[in-house]
Amino acid sequence: AQTVTQSQPEMSVQEAETVTLSCTYDTSESDYYLFWYKQPPSRQMILVIRQEAYKQQNATENRFSVNFQKAAKSFSLKISDSQLGDAAMYFCAYAATNAGKSTFGDGTTLTVKP
Amino acid sequence: NAGVTQTPKFRILKIGQSMTLQCTQDMNHNYMYWYRQDPGMGLKLIYYSVGAGITDKGEVPNGYNVSRSTTEDFPLRLELAAPSQTSVYFCASRTGLENTGELFFGEGSRLTVL
Repeated sequence: AQTVTQSQPEMSVQEAETVTLSCTYDTSESDYYLFWYKQPPSRQMILVIRQEAYKQQNATENRFSVNFQKAAKSFSLKISDSQLGDAAMYFCAYAATNAGKSTFGDGTTLTVKP
Repeated sequence: NAGVTQTPKFRILKIGQSMTLQCTQDMNHNYMYWYRQDPGMGLKLIYYSVGAGITDKGEVPNGYNVSRSTTEDFPLRLELAAPSQTSVYFCASRTGLENTGELFFGEGSRLTVL
């Protein structure tokens, strides 16, 4: 069974600084997707970034980038130039390409200090 | 384009009552999901469906039932509500094709069982 582990229940960062959120996963599949979702206080789940497992290049979306280490089954999220609006709960998620289930970690609550 | 629509957004139930959370999507997605999120926690998969007429259990299916008679609709039935079912429920969908794996979420339904 696939599992996703986020070992940091809470993180904080100073505005304009950089923070890295950790995620590890376990799977026997070779083809899959990994995601980071953001959940602000509004509860709406927002996709931040996506990584296809077959791609060696790390995904980047503006201030958000990932460090994908397939052999280590590690998928961390780096947020650069943190902004107050980045404060939210962040979830790491896994989805196998040819299977129905999408599995989520327990989340990391990010606080951004002004 | 409405995306994923959940109703109701809020509901209070008494112990032993039953209710159905409605979920509909207009993106012609094959895969649909129900998750629950307890306060400060991650998303736990209740049930999922990979197409009309096909459903399967997730991590926490006890006390719930689902059906998938059409591609668009995936209702979640709570039978004999218990306080342990107090949670926020999210419906989500994805295409099921091997292009993105991204989940599209509804806004959530907050259920309180007293």
